[in-house]
Amino acid sequence: AQSVTQPDIHITVSEGASLELRCNYSYGATPYLFWYVQSPGQGLQLLLKYFSGDTLVQGIKGFEAEFKRSQSSFNLRKPSVHWSDAAEYFCAVGSTGNQFYFGTGTSLTVIP
Amino acid sequence: DTAVSQTPKYLVTQMGNDKSIKCEQNLGHDTMYWYKQDSKKFLKIMFSYNNKELIINETVPNRFSPKSPDKAHLNLHINSLELGDSAVYFCASSPWDNSQPQHFGDGTRLSIL
Repeated sequence: AQSVTQPDIHITVSEGASLELRCNYSYGATPYLFWYVQSPGQGLQLLLKYFSGDTLVQGIKGFEAEFKRSQSSFNLRKPSVHWSDAAEYFCAVGSTGNQFYFGTGTSLTVIP
Repeated sequence: DTAVSQTPKYLVTQMGNDKSIKCEQNLGHDTMYWYKQDSKKFLKIMFSYNNKELIINETVPNRFSPKSPDKAHLNLHINSLELGDSAVYFCASSPWDNSQPQHFGDGTRLSIL
């Protein structure tokens, strides 16, 4: 069965520090993978997506993610975090029949 | 020029009432969805429609009834509201292609008194 796991419920980083948010998926075929960000009081906004080709994907707001098939992972990274990056982050996989499976989210706090 | 818009943004009502949430998308997408997000931020799919046809109908109380008058609109009607219905409800849309991302509305925060 398809599923997405985000092992970290909450992460705190200092402004300017690097960030890595973990995502592991379970999917039988080549996955279509997405990272979304949800700011307080807002809907989810797409950061980046992977569906084929280069395993290192660049997104908006300076984020990138690396697809590693051997580890069933799609971790999100940012070299230097800004206070405005504080938000909830969701990893998702797209499945047949337009079903999308979301992880439980990782809440990011940025301290000055 | 909002892509996916939901109304109302906030809905405060009493137990037992009936309420509706409306959603419209101007992206030309074929597929629309309703999600429920609880207080722990967990996103649960409720329904999806493709070209006005019900595709996903998860285990949701039958007090919840979606209606899609055309492929640009997907409304959610809730009968006999209960305390446990308090949540944020998100509408989303996408092409009929699971390699393409969903576009989300800003949510409707439903509070049951």
